[in-house]
Amino acid sequence: EDQVTQSPEALRLQEGESSSLNCSYTVSGLRGLFWYRQDPGKGPEFLFTLYSAGEEKEKERLKATLTKKESFLHITAPKPEDSATYLCAVDVATNKLIFGTGTLLAVQP
Amino acid sequence: NAGVTQTPKFQVLKTGQSMTLQCAQDMNHNSMYWYRQDPGMGLRLIYYSASEGTTDKGEVPNGYNVSRLNKREFSLRLESAAPSQTSVYFCASSSGTSAYEQYFGPGTRLTVT
Repeated sequence: EDQVTQSPEALRLQEGESSSLNCSYTVSGLRGLFWYRQDPGKGPEFLFTLYSAGEEKEKERLKATLTKKESFLHITAPKPEDSATYLCAVDVATNKLIFGTGTLLAVQP
Repeated sequence: NAGVTQTPKFQVLKTGQSMTLQCAQDMNHNSMYWYRQDPGMGLRLIYYSASEGTTDKGEVPNGYNVSRLNKREFSLRLESAAPSQTSVYFCASSSGTSAYEQYFGPGTRLTVT
């Protein structure tokens, strides 16, 4: 069965304290892996797409990486405005995205 | 560019009532989707429309119907609401149907009493 697991469920960081979020997956065939950011009361906001192992994408303080079994979202020197829930989703077949339950990140000043 | 818009933002229904959630996108996307998001669970696909004129069931379609009115608009109808349908509903759109990023609307928070 196709499955996506995100860890940790929640993470509290001090401003400037770098860390990583994990998205591990067991799927029959990976077409793409997506990272989204979701603020409270809002819809998910697209961040990155990764297609193959070894690929990396960066945006400001965020960097996403992909291996054959997992993806990491690295957050370098986070700021309070980076606080949000980060969602990972895997595309395994046409029109079928499987979402993880997310990591709730809180960055304290 | 408004992106994906949804109406209403909030709705309270009594069990057995019906309602339609509206979604529109202005990005000229071919594919549109309806998801529900419940605490402790990932987003789950209810229905999708790969292109204008087509609709297909997702993971949790029971109790819902959809209409792809035109390329821009995709509505979700609850014919007889049940408390189990209390959730946050998101509409999304994408350029294509495989490995394309989806763009989400702001959501509709629905409570069924």
